[in-house]
Amino acid sequence: RKEVEQDPGPFNVPEGATVAFNCTYSNSASQSFFWYRQDCRKEPKLLMSVYSSGNEDGRFTAQLNRASQYISLLIRDSKLSDSATYLCVVKGQAGTALIFGKGTTLSVSS
Amino acid sequence: GAVVSQHPSWVICKSGTSVKIECRSLDFQATTMFWYRQFPKQSLMLMATSNEGSKATYEQGVEKDKFLINHASLTLSTLTVTSAHPEDSSFYICSGSGSYNEQFFGPGTRLTVL
Repeated sequence: RKEVEQDPGPFNVPEGATVAFNCTYSNSASQSFFWYRQDCRKEPKLLMSVYSSGNEDGRFTAQLNRASQYISLLIRDSKLSDSATYLCVVKGQAGTALIFGKGTTLSVSS
Repeated sequence: GAVVSQHPSWVICKSGTSVKIECRSLDFQATTMFWYRQFPKQSLMLMATSNEGSKATYEQGVEKDKFLINHASLTLSTLTVTSAHPEDSSFYICSGSGSYNEQFFGPGTRLTVL
């Protein structure tokens, strides 16, 4: 079983749509959780950290459920510029590496 | 965030040659460097972790004699792909981590082995 699993998509949505991505992780000792964004042929960039209390950054809302080891990302009012691959990422204790999911591809069209 | 540079950004080489990729932390001291590899439509896979001045720790399935990692200073780590073959063609990304435990990624190196 992979450490971090995501639906690869692709998700094809029109501008203005709301889209949700889900992710599960297998290591219950994971301590930190993130969503990264990766554009084609580029390095991943941090989109937001994810907390159990849920957190929001503009049109983006992330949620963590430690009991079910489930992470979500909600994007509201999708923009063309949101088209990218969204990577679910977990991390263990300090000094350990980020562990990436395969990513979910989003394509927003006009 | 902090800046990590990577050089070269892309390289094409013949099968059997060795390729060195440099990763530099420009404005922070990277006590730990992580090296990842990403094949098309796949996730970033951790290859190895190196702490400054120590030998790198390799993930299962990554040959340490083929992928030589040097982390001799707090601002520079290198990955050398020795005797490269077409199956080594991939996107290699380094990531530095300093005192704040965040990871900052380099822009990646796209390696094509003919």
